Amino acid sequence: EVQLVESGGGLVQTGESLRLSCAASGFTFSSYGMSWVRQAPGKGLEWVSGIIVSGLSAYYADSVKGRFTISRDKSKNMLYLQMRSLRAEDTAVYYCAKVLAPAAIGPQFDYWGQGTLVTVSS
Amino acid sequence: QSVLTQPPSVSAAPGQKVTISCSGSSSNIANNFVSWYQHLPGTAPKLLIYDNNKRPSGIPDRFSGSKSGTSATLGITGLQTGDEADYYCGTWDNSLTAGLFGGGTKLTVL
Repeated sequence: EVQLVESGGGLVQTGESLRLSCAASGFTFSSYGMSWVRQAPGKGLEWVSGIIVSGLSAYYADSVKGRFTISRDKSKNMLYLQMRSLRAEDTAVYYCAKVLAPAAIGPQFDYWGQGTLVTVSS
Repeated sequence: QSVLTQPPSVSAAPGQKVTISCSGSSSNIANNFVSWYQHLPGTAPKLLIYDNNKRPSGIPDRFSGSKSGTSATLGITGLQTGDEADYYCGTWDNSLTAGLFGGGTKLTVL
């Protein structure tokens, strides 16, 4: 059974940093691209970042480019999102998502985690 | 303002059919696969349609997808109260080199 479990969310102040983690199991993690998607309160889904199988290429939404860094550790089956210079508008539930097709970047996601809440307070 | 445009809301009676549109451009929908998701508050989004018109196993054939040019459409027939949710389209944008979701459409089954 595929499982994606996010952790690391919490309450931080504007300008601070936070690292989200996603523990993946039940599939060959090294064969699939992964992404982070968020949903701000009362808003829709927003694709945040994606990383390819090799981990050598990553992509970002303009809203987080230069502040967020996605990475993956194949030895631990872990996906990460390092968030820096956090702003109030980064407040959201952050989901980890698995890309449907092997070696694709997405965003066609067949499995999602339950999400972790990040609250940025000013 | 989302790059992919969806109607904010649609509604129909139980048993009826509804369609949800997703309008984009040549840099996204026209040249990439479109997927559709159902999202209930407090839960993880669920993939309904991928590769424009394919259903993952377990998704009933009441759900269908199509694409033409720069637009895509999700169709739901035989509406049930359990279908009340937010629906999102998603695709890749070649110019932005980024993933995109539509703004979402709230389905109400009257």
